Amino acid sequence: DAGITQSPRHKVTETGTPVTLRCHQTENHRYMYWYRQDPGHGLRLIHYSYGVKDTDKGEVSDGYSVSRSKTEDFLLTLESATSSQTSVYFCAITILNTIYFGEGSWLTVV
Amino acid sequence: GNSVTQMEGPVTLSEEAFLTINCTYTATGYPSLFWYVQYPGEGLQLLLKATKADDKGSNKGFEATYRKETTSFHLEKGSVQVSDSAVYFCALSVKGSQGNLIFGKGTKLSVKP
Repeated sequence: DAGITQSPRHKVTETGTPVTLRCHQTENHRYMYWYRQDPGHGLRLIHYSYGVKDTDKGEVSDGYSVSRSKTEDFLLTLESATSSQTSVYFCAITILNTIYFGEGSWLTVV
Repeated sequence: GNSVTQMEGPVTLSEEAFLTINCTYTATGYPSLFWYVQYPGEGLQLLLKATKADDKGSNKGFEATYRKETTSFHLEKGSVQVSDSAVYFCALSVKGSQGNLIFGKGTKLSVKP
């Protein structure tokens, strides 16, 4: 158990609405990540953070923004959700050069 | 660029059969290599890892050896069980990439009793 909590775990939202997913960790780990998982693509990095207020883009960052105002929380925001953002979203942290994942947030955009 | 290629599934085996899931990689520098497992409806769990050439990672009866000469990290298990049914992902990270993982597309394994 890497001490990662994601919320919400499941959400259905309408196209064009904003959505925020939250990742919370309890161990003050410096690096946090957001990945999305889609059939045929494996997992792809959206954004990552290397400290409070320090974030950078990953492979598939378009349409997403992130914020990290506290060490323990990393927020992923879809400013205006689209159907192509229907996916499973995983938060992750690094412990001793190994990445550990949360249990995922299932997002459906209708 | 960095990439991971793993054998496409699905793979269906009978209980107690031998399992191999092939994984090859392309990377600049010297990557660390990982196998993750995802059981239905759950997140990814680290199964095993290797950080340098000729290292062997092992866990729960699964093994994989980091082969630099063939750029491979094949996953093996001598006798699979029904409970091993899951999706298996090969991944790499390169030093200096802030630990970012590059994943293969995953291989679904189904084990029949």
